[in-house]
Parts: sequence; structure tokens; C-alpha cells
Amino acid sequence: SSELTQPPSVSASPGQTARITCSGDVLSTQYVYFYQQKPGQAPLLIISKDTERPSGIPERFSGSSSGTTVTLTISGVQAEDEADYYCQSADSDSPDPHVLFGGGTKLTVL
Amino acid sequence: QVQLQESGPGLVRPSETLSLTCTVSDESIDNYYWSWLRQSPGKGLEWIGYISHSGNTNYNPSLKSRVTISVATSKTHFSLRLTSVTAADTAVYYCARGDKWYEFDFWGQGTQVTVS
Repeated sequence: SSELTQPPSVSASPGQTARITCSGDVLSTQYVYFYQQKPGQAPLLIISKDTERPSGIPERFSGSSSGTTVTLTISGVQAEDEADYYCQSADSDSPDPHVLFGGGTKLTVL
Repeated sequence: QVQLQESGPGLVRPSETLSLTCTVSDESIDNYYWSWLRQSPGKGLEWIGYISHSGNTNYNPSLKSRVTISVATSKTHFSLRLTSVTAADTAVYYCARGDKWYEFDFWGQGTQVTVS
């Protein structure tokens, strides 16, 4: 099916590791992108093509892929990482190619 | 680096047409893909569509019958038209750039549009 599934919420204490999964059938053939969105701000691209970190994104953000699931890992969570995180991909094989977004995951830093 | 700025009316009447402009600075529209996305209050992100550097367009199937994205002849901005709006179209609208049509590496700050 043409959907991306994320957990609604994840929590971690400062210094711990937070993991946010993104699952969907299209991910077996399509890349995933992760965006961080803080209240009142536009989304910020933090992971590109499953595992690539754009310039300026801290090394504590990483991505990994396995089958139809891609995982965003935040190692050594900081208070400033509290935000909503969205995964995104594309259904390029559909008769109507289109972009897909996950429902978003709210990361709470305890 | 590239900067994008959305502009347009913040209030649109039901059944009328929503028109927004995205001004692109420090980048040529002749490169990249240029997209519109939106986010309804308290909800997630929704892709509206894109226009390519060569003028090709593609739209979200759920909005296709009402959407038009175009580039100005000046090549300094691109636009969104959404016809027959309802309250469900109330959202923050973003423009974005991508190296691929399914990638968004720079975003505008967003503009709130209310249908009422």
C-alpha cells in the first residue's frame, strides 16, 4: 500500500538514544527523507536518501535502512532535539506518481 | 544560499480561488524542482505538487482537479492556484526546492491561509 507509518510519539532523556521508525512497502525501492519541525517553524531536512546527512546537520542524527523500514537515530539526545519528525518518500511507480509523508512522530526530551 | 518567501492573501472565501506566490532569491528557477506543500492545523504535511526546471508539473492526485503551479516569465517566482476552496484547505502553505521532485532541501517560512 502507498502509506508511510511512524509511531506517534517517542521519548528519551538527555544523553540517551532515540529511534524513530518509518515503515512502508514503497521503501523497498524508494529513498526516505526525514524532516525535523519545531513549533512555528518550517520543516528542516535532516536525513536524505535514507542515510545522508545534509551540510550543517549534527552527527548525532543518522539514518539506517532495512527492507521496508528506515530508522532515524538520534544519539545523545539534547533538549533542543524536542520536535516533530516526519519521514517522506515517493510512490514513483504509481500511475499518478506522488509524494508520501508519514504522520509524524513527536519526540519528547524528558 | 537560496531563500524562498511565500506571499498572498491570508483569508480566502469558500468556493473562491487561493493564489500564492513563492519568491526565489539567490538561485535560478531554471535549476531544480519547485514545490508547494501544506500543513493543516495540528496535522501533518501534505504535498500539493511541483513544477520542474523545464516546466513539467505533477500534482497530488487528491488535489489534481483544482491545482495549477506555474512559473513567472521573470523566472524570479513561481505560483500556486487552488480553486473552489473549502474550510479543509485552511493550512500553512510552504514552498520548497528540491534536486529531485520528491526531495525538499530548502523551505520557505510558510504562510497561513484561512478559508472562511
